[in-house]
Amino acid sequence: SQQGEEDPQALSIQEGENATMNCSYKTSINNLQWYRQNSGRGLVHLILIRSNEREKHSGRLRVTLDTSKKSSSLLITASRAADTASYFCATALMGTYKYIFGTGTRLKVLA
Amino acid sequence: EAGVAQSPRYKIIEKRQSVAFWCNPISGHATLYWYQQILGQGPKLLIQFQNNGVVDDSQLPKDRFSAERLKGVDSTLKIQPAKLEDSAVYLCASSFGTNTGELFFGEGSRLTVL
Repeated sequence: SQQGEEDPQALSIQEGENATMNCSYKTSINNLQWYRQNSGRGLVHLILIRSNEREKHSGRLRVTLDTSKKSSSLLITASRAADTASYFCATALMGTYKYIFGTGTRLKVLA
Repeated sequence: EAGVAQSPRYKIIEKRQSVAFWCNPISGHATLYWYQQILGQGPKLLIQFQNNGVVDDSQLPKDRFSAERLKGVDSTLKIQPAKLEDSAVYLCASSFGTNTGELFFGEGSRLTVL
């Protein structure tokens, strides 16, 4: 079964707007990662946040992690048409490198 | 640095036939994963190798799927016999195998079972 659940399932915004997507998971984790997948391609790593971190930034990306609520959010600021893709969170179960992916958020950025 | 290589990129077979997918991970990556991604869903872990040993294959349908990692480098995933519900993209990923390591994915092998 999926460890993570992203919401919303789909999101459509205008270029320049911010996009926020959320991930909830079920068990204690080592870390949480976010990946992007363009249509028909493999997944590309975006950012990793450790279980003892609360917030992390990378360029236009901001990730937060709330281990008490077992949830994370990914914010993409000033979105571009090239950000159109599916975004997945992945969690490594505590004590393992077994990465389980969520259901994904399909983001469409309109030019 | 060369990425994760997978082949074939596309394969169409009839149900009950067999198929094999090949993956060459990034050099030096100890951990290798095979994921199945059905259209519109997230990747589902089938099997995880650490060097040439299996770490987790709890989600692998062992009556029809098999996988091996030769000498801790290349890996093959085989399906025999294939069912219609096996139509999916099979993604290979590798990592250094630490708890802060990102996964590097190949482009995937898209299987259509008719």
